[in-house]
Amino acid sequence: AQTVTQSQPEMSVQEAETVTLSCTYDTSESNYYLFWYKQPPSRQMILVIRQEAYKQQNATENRFSVNFQKAAKSFSLKISDSQLGDTAMYFCAFMNRDDKIIFGKGTRLHILP
Amino acid sequence: NAGVTQTPKFRVLKTGQSMTLLCAQDMNHEYMYWYRQDPGMGLRLIHYSVGEGTTAKGEVPDGYNVSRLKKQNFLLGLESAAPSQTSVYFCASSFRTGRGSYTFGSGTRLTVV
Repeated sequence: AQTVTQSQPEMSVQEAETVTLSCTYDTSESNYYLFWYKQPPSRQMILVIRQEAYKQQNATENRFSVNFQKAAKSFSLKISDSQLGDTAMYFCAFMNRDDKIIFGKGTRLHILP
Repeated sequence: NAGVTQTPKFRVLKTGQSMTLLCAQDMNHEYMYWYRQDPGMGLRLIHYSVGEGTTAKGEVPDGYNVSRLKKQNFLLGLESAAPSQTSVYFCASSFRTGRGSYTFGSGTRLTVV
């Protein structure tokens, strides 16, 4: 079975610091997609960043970047210069060949002023 | 604005009552999904549809039924609500090709008392 594991249920960092959220996954597929979603208190699910497994280059979106290690099945999210608006629940997710997304249990991130 | 619309946004049911959650998308997406979100559990797939007139079970389908009579609508039904179905329900949609990410609705908070 395909699984996504987020080992950090909750994290807190000071504003302007850099924080890394961990994610590992398990699959026997060779081509797939990985995502990080943000869920602020508004409850809306917001796509933060997307990585295609066949691309070796790590995806980057402004202050958000990933460290994708395919062999280790690791997909961590780095947030640079963290801002108060980054406070949210973050979900790591894996899309399988059937186009179904499997989510991790989430990491609640608090950015402290 | 284009997107995924869920109705209602909040609902309180008594045990044994039935109800239908509506999801509507105007992006001509082929695929539609229903997830439930529970604390500490992430999002879990209930049912999904890969096209008009087709539905399939996800990870936690028991107690729910779905229908996709029109391409733009995906209905989730609770036949006899139970307290264990208290949750936040999310609908999402995506294109068939390109294996892109989902577009999510804003969620429905359902409480069964």
